Amino acid sequence: NAGVTQTPKFQVLKTGQSMTLQCAQDMNHEYMSWYRQDPGMGLRLIHYSVGAGITDQGEVPNGYNVSRSTTEDFPLRLLSAAPSQTSVYFCASSYRGQVTGELFFGEGSRLTVL
Amino acid sequence: DQQVKQNSPSLSVQEGRISILNCDYTNSMFDYFLWYKKYPAEGPTFLISISSIKDKNEDGRFTVFLNKSAKHLSLHIVPSQPGDSAVYFCAAIDGATNKLIFGTGTLLAVQP
Repeated sequence: NAGVTQTPKFQVLKTGQSMTLQCAQDMNHEYMSWYRQDPGMGLRLIHYSVGAGITDQGEVPNGYNVSRSTTEDFPLRLLSAAPSQTSVYFCASSYRGQVTGELFFGEGSRLTVL
Repeated sequence: DQQVKQNSPSLSVQEGRISILNCDYTNSMFDYFLWYKKYPAEGPTFLISISSIKDKNEDGRFTVFLNKSAKHLSLHIVPSQPGDSAVYFCAAIDGATNKLIFGTGTLLAVQP
C-alpha cells in the first residue's frame, strides 16, 4: 500500500541551487497538489493539478514550478532556492479533486536552504 | 490574509474529557469544511468533514459543528484519548476557486 510517496525525505541546499521534489501516487487519483508547512502558518497550497497536462497556482506559487505529464507523478521544482523556502513540503492527492477535500498526503519532505 | 483561523495554538485536556477545537473563517464562498489530524513526522490524515448545508456531522467520537452565521466551525472529541494527541488542522473549500485552504493548526495534548 504505497499511497503517496515523496522523495527525498530530507534535503539541504545552498542558496541559488535548484532541485526537484518528487511525488508519486499509485491510486489513479486525478487531483494532486503541493503544500508547504511553516510554523504558525499552517499548510499553504503551492500548486495543484486536476489531471495530466493541467496545472494551476495555489496561494504561494512564486519560486516553484510544476508539471503533470502522467497521472501518477507531480514533481515540484525549485529553480533557485532561497532561505525563505526552508519548510516541510507535502504532496497530496485525491480521486475526486477538491470537491470534497479528502486528500491523501505523503509523509513530507523537509528542505533546508542555507 | 488568513481566511481560516485557529486562534488556539495548543489545548490540553484530561483523558476521558471532551476536547473542543475551534476554527473561524472569513470567506463566505467556503462551502465545505474538513478537519485533518497530523502526528509528528507524518502527513496529515483526513478526520471528518461537513457540507455548508448541514450544521452537524458525527462519526464515532468525533463531531463537527458548523455555525454559518458566525462563520465558526468546531470539532468535539468525546471521550478524549491519549492517542488523540496530535495537531489538528481545520480546512475549507472555496466553492468559487475550488481551492482547499488550511488553518494554522491546534496542538492537542490529552493527558493520561
